[in-house]
Amino acid sequence: NAGVTQTPKFQVLKTGQSMTLQCAQDMNHEYMSWYRQDPGMGLRLIHYSVGAGITDQGEVPNGYNVSRSTTEDFPLRLLSAAPSQTSVYFCASSYSMAGGVGQPQHFGDGTRLSIL
Amino acid sequence: GQQLNQSPQSMFIQEGEDVSMNCTSSSIFNTWLWYKQDPGEGPVLLIALYKAGELTSNGRLTAQFGITRKDSFLNISASIPSDVGIYFCAGQLSGGNEKLTFGTGTRLTIIP
Repeated sequence: NAGVTQTPKFQVLKTGQSMTLQCAQDMNHEYMSWYRQDPGMGLRLIHYSVGAGITDQGEVPNGYNVSRSTTEDFPLRLLSAAPSQTSVYFCASSYSMAGGVGQPQHFGDGTRLSIL
Repeated sequence: GQQLNQSPQSMFIQEGEDVSMNCTSSSIFNTWLWYKQDPGEGPVLLIALYKAGELTSNGRLTAQFGITRKDSFLNISASIPSDVGIYFCAGQLSGGNEKLTFGTGTRLTIIP
């Protein structure tokens, strides 16, 4: 059981390049999300999805696109990388909540992205 | 957006000491979560709290969901070297909104 798998683990890009960060989960979770982690700022939500075909913006969505064509995969795209997007990116997944009871999210190990 | 104030930002303690950290919010949450992050890895869930006033333990860790639903506390008893890392609180609304709001983290260092 792999859980949440993120690829690549490390990447260096030049300003203006495009890239897709991959995220896959094998737990049949409906809810998936992308966060970025910057020093002293905790994790901030970029985009999330509550099921295949449905996506929505989080706290810091500018410069990022997502799609959810399958339950398992939730790629994050940077169309034109900028130095401000240098960060560590985490993907997470969970079951949808039912009856108001929270379902904890499971995180991948992260993608460390540097934009030169 | 909502913000979680987590304190302290960092702690330097000796092995065997007890640790306390807390998280406060300007908004009410219906779920509080505590995560630990080791270097180079993603956050791992330690404790989940679903009810105001709830006190839950996981080994040497104990967390409480504040009565006002605007705060939560994490205590670690008799710290050991593997407790080193960054601890994050996170608040989550219910009612179909699964978004997490994270605190800024508490970095725990154990002095030899």
